[in-house]
Amino acid sequence: KQEVTQIPAALSVPEGENLVLNCSFTDSAIYNLQWFRQDPGKGLTSLLLIQSSQREQTSGRLNASLDKSSGRSTLYIAASQPGDSATYLCAVKGDNQGGKLIFGQGTELSVKP
Amino acid sequence: GAVVSQHPSRVICKSGTSVKIECRSLDFQATTMFWYRQFPKQSLMLMATSNEGSKATYEQGVEKDKFLINHASLTLSTLTVTSAHPEDSSFYICSARLAGGLMYNEQFFGPGTRLTVL
Repeated sequence: KQEVTQIPAALSVPEGENLVLNCSFTDSAIYNLQWFRQDPGKGLTSLLLIQSSQREQTSGRLNASLDKSSGRSTLYIAASQPGDSATYLCAVKGDNQGGKLIFGQGTELSVKP
Repeated sequence: GAVVSQHPSRVICKSGTSVKIECRSLDFQATTMFWYRQFPKQSLMLMATSNEGSKATYEQGVEKDKFLINHASLTLSTLTVTSAHPEDSSFYICSARLAGGLMYNEQFFGPGTRLTVL
């Protein structure tokens, strides 16, 4: 059974810092991995999707890497801003889960001005 | 493109009543839609997978008679919480996957529905 873990559960940083969010998964037979942002009381916004054949994806100040063999992904946020404050979720779509997305618990990020 | 809407965004109801939540794909056809539930400070848990024109597939532990799912068209799926109780209060999110493609096609998420049962 695929399990997705995110560390840390919560993170508070001053504005301007570069930061890294971690995601690990137990079954390396994945099709892709996706990072989402969720603001309080809102739905999900897709940030980056990495296919299993890729090592990283970049969008603006965000960079996501994937090491499928070790079951890890990181989301790097450069020059953090207060507007980045949200919960960040990673999810994997596995070969062994019939195409379902399995979510981690999320990292709640707070960027202080 | 790839916009998914949900209605209502927020609903408050009395215990024992039934509540219907709609999930629509606005600019694409979705053969498959997914329903998730999210409790405060927790992640999304898949409840069921809804396929157009057929019965939904429920995850283990989800009562199919309590959470009725109908996917009558390629752009609409509904979730009905029957005889709702306070423990059903949660944030319900749907997602839709493009029709005609692989099961690994990207899913697009709706904005969620906040259900509060008094």
